[in-house]
Amino acid sequence: QSVLTQPPSASGTPGQSVTISCSGENSHIGSNTVNWYQQFPGAAPKLLIYSNDQRRSGVPDRFSGSKSGTTASLAISGLQSEDEAVYYCAAWDDRLYGVFGGGTKVTVL
Amino acid sequence: QLQLQESGPGLLKPSETLSLTCSVSGGSVNSSYYFWGWLRQPPGKGPEWIGSIYYSGTTYYNPSLKSRVTVSVDRSKNQFSLKLRSVTAADTAVYYCSRGLYALPDDWGQGALVTVSS
Repeated sequence: QSVLTQPPSASGTPGQSVTISCSGENSHIGSNTVNWYQQFPGAAPKLLIYSNDQRRSGVPDRFSGSKSGTTASLAISGLQSEDEAVYYCAAWDDRLYGVFGGGTKVTVL
Repeated sequence: QLQLQESGPGLLKPSETLSLTCSVSGGSVNSSYYFWGWLRQPPGKGPEWIGSIYYSGTTYYNPSLKSRVTVSVDRSKNQFSLKLRSVTAADTAVYYCSRGLYALPDDWGQGALVTVSS
């Protein structure tokens, strides 16, 4: 069971917006920044968003991150077929180790 | 461009020690402020953070694995390593090495499948 809680699935049609939540506790999301990763089948996860809302170089601006309290969110606007993947959130815990969510599979209908 | 490549045995028996090495190219394990880490991902599940070593040599471990894990760096070979002792079937996963500027991974290796089976 993963430390951070994500919905197992989300979906939308091309052009729509999808938002994925990631909830945790004060010891990690509440007091440290959140990263978001994208993973395609058979590949390693790839960093999309770091420090809650900073897009990594080369990441399309339709991906955006935010955080409020102990919940972080990843929004994908203008959904495209190539965005179909599993998305993971992660945060550092005050007890000095990393924690991850269980992942949200995004399906483009 | 940074490249991380995991290497090591892909099949282990229960109670053995898992040993993996991450070879770094396009970067240096001596670079200031970077964390060099290990994660794993069981089939169909989310990643699990195992541990990391800061450029200064300070190590950080997942409390659930701390008693069995050692992460170390070989600066002369530009490599870092993972040892996980007393493995069981529950340790079967794809193991990734990583580099991060803020403790969490920014860049990941391609991953190495390790299976524990008698």
